[in-house]
Amino acid sequence: EAGVTQFPSHSVIEKGQTVTLRCDPISGHDNLYWYRRVMGKEIKFLLHFVKESKQDESGMPNNRFLAERTGGTYSTLKVQPAELEDSGVYFCASSPGTSGDTQYFGPGTRLTVL
Amino acid sequence: DQQVKQNSPSLSVQEGRISILNCDYTNSMFDYFLWYKKYPAEGPTFLISISSIKDKNEDGRFTVFLNKSAKHLSLHIVPSQPGDSAVYFCAASDFGNEKLTFGTGTRLTIIP
Repeated sequence: EAGVTQFPSHSVIEKGQTVTLRCDPISGHDNLYWYRRVMGKEIKFLLHFVKESKQDESGMPNNRFLAERTGGTYSTLKVQPAELEDSGVYFCASSPGTSGDTQYFGPGTRLTVL
Repeated sequence: DQQVKQNSPSLSVQEGRISILNCDYTNSMFDYFLWYKKYPAEGPTFLISISSIKDKNEDGRFTVFLNKSAKHLSLHIVPSQPGDSAVYFCAASDFGNEKLTFGTGTRLTIIP
């Protein structure tokens, strides 16, 4: 069974540009999460999808971040316009569908904003 | 305000000995606790978890202890092996809320 995949693995952009990160969850997983780790700090929750609906987006930093999940399958996280403080590693995770299910993480996308 | 704290950024342990990683939390609503292990350039991998109704959970070489009154949990690895060298994250959630709250991680190095 394929794990959670993320694309790209690394992105370097300039301040003010737009970047779109993609996550493909494990097939059949209804829950999809985005997290971010900045500069060796804790991994912070951004948002949670159940199928195509946003269940919890309390961790989204501001309205420069837009997450979508098309048809309840893959998800994209767009940052527009990017700022220096957006640099970090963005992780996606998925879980089957029951409360308390283990979350399986992807390898992350390292975003560097110059 | 950090609700899950791992106060030791790093820990070195001799191969074959016991590794003890510690974690403290402040939010009394947390009722489910997890440990994730992370290798460089990979995502965190689930290791072991414990519900607040228990005070110990064991899985092979890994044991997690929970002290609710002290709001403290620890991960014991025995015996430690070179492949255990990684960053270990403590995480917590409450059952009505799926999001995980992580600590900053502890880098464990096993010395051969």
